[in-house]
Amino acid sequence: QQQVKQSPQSLIVQKGGISIINCAYENTAFDYFPWYQQFPGKGPALLIAIRPDVSEKKEGRFTISFNKSAKQFSLHIMDSQPGDSATYFCAASIFGNEKLTFGTGTRLTIIP
Amino acid sequence: EAGVTQFPSHSVIEKGQTVTLRCDPISGHDNLYWYRRVMGKEIKFLLHFVKESKQDESGMPNNRFLAERTGGTYSTLKVQPAELEDSGVYFCASLTRGGDNEQFFGPGTRLTVL
Repeated sequence: QQQVKQSPQSLIVQKGGISIINCAYENTAFDYFPWYQQFPGKGPALLIAIRPDVSEKKEGRFTISFNKSAKQFSLHIMDSQPGDSATYFCAASIFGNEKLTFGTGTRLTIIP
Repeated sequence: EAGVTQFPSHSVIEKGQTVTLRCDPISGHDNLYWYRRVMGKEIKFLLHFVKESKQDESGMPNNRFLAERTGGTYSTLKVQPAELEDSGVYFCASLTRGGDNEQFFGPGTRLTVL
């Protein structure tokens, strides 16, 4: 049973556009929701994370939107750039027990 | 500061053989995690060390997998005997408590079992 569901599997966005990746979780005990960015040949790297006490967190061009009642969270990349082309993973954990439960990943391609 | 390193980067073995993967965490990180990504699927937790002790090994698939962390420094993950379904990318991550408790991932070992 997959506890974190991620969509879409792949996404193509034009340069300058907005990239949106969605995740839904089942375990209401989760209270830490990070997004990881992975480039080919590298390991996942933390991009941005949110706790459920806020509905939105923004860092530069990257924003997480969080809907606790719907058990959903999403990553928005504004003004998408070719350098943003990577695989993005959402994840969830219980703070204090950092075992991460990941989504299946989204391969994002930004075209000129 | 050096990041998490993993060796080898790739390994191709035949079914029934043994393979040992190594992870060197960031110096001073007591917490070490192993994860695995099978082709196209999610990254799945395997186990968690705190120093040399296994804190949580609930994700280990079966007893063909053996993880060790002698002296609380580097860790090894041995698969013996390897099966076809063990193919995937094995990631190691390390963490130190405090702050955001960020896990730092290594580049992974791609294991192919033929």
